[in-house]
Amino acid sequence: NAGVTQTPKFQVLKTGQSMTLQCAQDMNHEYMSWYRQDPGMGLRLIHYSVGAGITDQGEVPNGYNVSRSTTEDFPLRLLSAAPSQTSVYFCASSSRGGGVWDEQFFGPGTRLTVL
Amino acid sequence: GQNIDQPTEMTATEGAIVQINCTYQTSGFNGLFWYQQHAGEAPTFLSYNVLDGLEEKGRFSSFLSRSKGYSYLLLKELQMKDSASYLCALEGRDSNYQLIWGAGTKLIIKP
Repeated sequence: NAGVTQTPKFQVLKTGQSMTLQCAQDMNHEYMSWYRQDPGMGLRLIHYSVGAGITDQGEVPNGYNVSRSTTEDFPLRLLSAAPSQTSVYFCASSSRGGGVWDEQFFGPGTRLTVL
Repeated sequence: GQNIDQPTEMTATEGAIVQINCTYQTSGFNGLFWYQQHAGEAPTFLSYNVLDGLEEKGRFSSFLSRSKGYSYLLLKELQMKDSASYLCALEGRDSNYQLIWGAGTKLIIKP
């Protein structure tokens, strides 16, 4: 199994550009999420999904959109990039076993710089 | 709200023992996670505590006290490869699996 994969690994954007960060998992996990990680701060949840066709906002959703058309894929779209969105983005997935969520498995991350 | 506090950085010696604390203020939570994150890499799962007490897993142990509002991660027989950041995260009571993360503790191991 490849686990959780993310593309691209690095990206530089200009202010106002849009792009999609890709995330895929091959573990048949119901739960998928997107986090951003900034220096000196904890991981912050952007959006999450508890199954195909279901998405919800996390702590910092503004400026980002998501969709979950399949169990495997959970892309994150930046609508109009801003320098404040410069960060490392992690996708994570998990399954529910026995009624409780298991640990989250993380992708390798996408390092985004917005100029 | 749910505030989580961890020391920013700690230094320890190879072969020694180190305890990394995590304190929190919350009205209730399902459980507490510890993750390890090497520089430039993704977090990886270490432990999950639901009940008060110590959970031991090889050289790593994690402790939770709900009444005192804190947890710690204990690393024994430190190795150079243990140099990493250690992240504490609370799982909220709702069913949507939203974790609240601490900023992490950067652990530096010296020979």
